[in-house]
Amino acid sequence: NAGVTQTPKFQVLKTGQSMTLQCAQDMNHNSMYWYRQDPGMGLRLIYYSASEGTTDKGEVPNGYNVSRLNKREFSLRLESAAPSQTSVYFCASRLHSGELFFGEGSRLTVL
Amino acid sequence: GIQVEQSPPDLILQEGANSTLRCNFSDSVNNLQWFHQNPWGQLINLFYIPSGTKQNGRLSATTVATERYSLLYISSSQTTDSGVYFCAVFPYYGQNFVFGPGTRLSVLP
Repeated sequence: NAGVTQTPKFQVLKTGQSMTLQCAQDMNHNSMYWYRQDPGMGLRLIYYSASEGTTDKGEVPNGYNVSRLNKREFSLRLESAAPSQTSVYFCASRLHSGELFFGEGSRLTVL
Repeated sequence: GIQVEQSPPDLILQEGANSTLRCNFSDSVNNLQWFHQNPWGQLINLFYIPSGTKQNGRLSATTVATERYSLLYISSSQTTDSGVYFCAVFPYYGQNFVFGPGTRLSVLP
């Protein structure tokens, strides 16, 4: 049982390049989330999807787009990367009002 | 919105010592979780504990929802307990989990 799987685990971009972070869960969860974590700080919510077909902004959505491709998959896209988007990104999922589970994280550096 | 505070912000222990980490929150919550972020950055689920007491080996947690706090107890600490401990709450009238700033624990051999 893989849980929540994120790819890639590491990525280096130049300013202005685009990329997509992929997330998939195999727990049949309804809700999926993207967080970012900056050095020495907690987790901040970027976007979430309460159910298949819906997405909503979180605390820090600027510069990002998301797609809930199906119930399993939730991707995060950076259209024009900026150095301020250097961070560790975590995908998470949960079933209705249940427990939140995280993926292992994706470390992104924007030069 | 709801405020989540964790104390202490930093804690250094000798191996074998016990510790108590606290999470205070400013409003009613539906859910509360404790996570451990290990030195490799992985976020590990410790407890899903909206109320009551749970134990898992050397770790236990208690949430008193009516008084708006939760405690995480670590007994006989080991070096592998090092990392950051996060409390996350789901506000009763909220849409998403809100995370505390974390407690950084260092266990020395």
